[in-house]
Order: sequence, then C-alpha cells, then structure tokens
Amino acid sequence: AQSVAQPEDQVNVAEGNPLTVKCTYSVSGNPYLFWYVQYPNRGLQFLLKYITGDNLVKGSYGFEAEFNKSQTSFHLKKPSALVSDSALYFCAVRDGGNNDMRFGAGTRLTVKP
Amino acid sequence: EAGVAQSPRYKIIEKRQSVAFWCNPISGHATLYWYQQILGQGPKLLIQFQNNGVVDDSQLPKDRFSAERLKGVDSTLKIQPAKLEDSAVYLCASSLGPHSNYGYTFGSGTRLTVV
Repeated sequence: AQSVAQPEDQVNVAEGNPLTVKCTYSVSGNPYLFWYVQYPNRGLQFLLKYITGDNLVKGSYGFEAEFNKSQTSFHLKKPSALVSDSALYFCAVRDGGNNDMRFGAGTRLTVKP
Repeated sequence: EAGVAQSPRYKIIEKRQSVAFWCNPISGHATLYWYQQILGQGPKLLIQFQNNGVVDDSQLPKDRFSAERLKGVDSTLKIQPAKLEDSAVYLCASSLGPHSNYGYTFGSGTRLTVV
C-alpha cells in the first residue's frame, strides 16, 4: 500500500528566507503526489500536484515542489517565506491504479517576522 | 463556484450518544469522500462514494459508523454509539471523478468532541 512520510513535525524559518518542507513516499505503481495546506479551523486547501511531466511543479501562493524519483521525494519549497505562510502542510500520495489518497502526518510551518 | 459545505462546525456529545454530520459537495462532483483527522495526524479516509454507490469503505468502523449518499449529491455520516477515541475533525471532500489526477476540494470540517 502507498504511504507518505513527513520527517519534520515542525519547521521554523525567518520571513524572507527560503523554506523547504520535506516529503518522501512509497508506492507500488506510478506516484501521484499532492501538497495541501491547512489553516486553523479550515479545511485542507490544494497547493499543487505532480502527475507526470516536468519534475518541478509550480502551485498556488508561490509554492513549488520537486519530484525526485530516485530519492522518492516530493519536497515543497518557496524562495521567500511570508508570515502568512504559517500553517500545517500535508503531503499526500495516490498509487496510479488506486483511488485511496494517503496523507502524511503533517508539518507545522512557522514563519517568524 | 460554491465550496464543499459541511455542518455542524462543532459538536460536543457524551460517549455512547449518537451524532450525524452532513456534507454537500460541489455541484457536479460525482465522487465524495469522508475523512477522519485526529489531532496531530493526517486525514484518514473513512469512505468514498461514486455517485450514490460505495467505492471504498475498508477503513470505516462499521460497527459504529455508517454513511449514505442516497441521491448521489449530499451525504451524511453517522456515529452510533460514539466513543472517546472518535474525537476528531471529520472532513468531507469531493472531486469530479475517481481518477487519480483529479484534485480534491475539502470542506471546513466538523470538529467532534466526545466527553
């Protein structure tokens, strides 16, 4: 079965600095990878996805993610962090032939002024 | 377009009581999902509907949880009787179809506290 690991519970960065939120995955087939963000008392909001094609995927709010097949990773990145980026970030994976989307445990990003 | 609507936003019940949650997906979205998100964990799929049929309910605790989507539009999730460990946020999501490249749209969730 597919699975996702987010090795960091918490990531702290200063405003204006680049940020990276890490994600590794495991699937038996082709990975379909997603990043979602969750603000307090809100549902999950879609940021970006990788299905096929270019390994660098650009998404909402200036975020991007790089698919690395050899390292089975899909790290989320942003060149310059904003205080408003502070939230809970979830990586998710679906096996190409499986409908079940599996989520990681989440990484809490805190951007300090 | 309107988002996925869920109600109520919050619910507090005593253990062994019953509770029901409601979800109205985005118009035209054939696939509907219910997720359970326990504090500190990622969402876990409980059940997936395609129109009014169940596609996957393998992780639904069927001795106490039930869900229906009778007309293929809105859905209800019920817990009877509730246990303390059912305290969580229950998220509803919908998508155009079940294929893997469709993104999900999530509702704001219902936060359940069982005391």
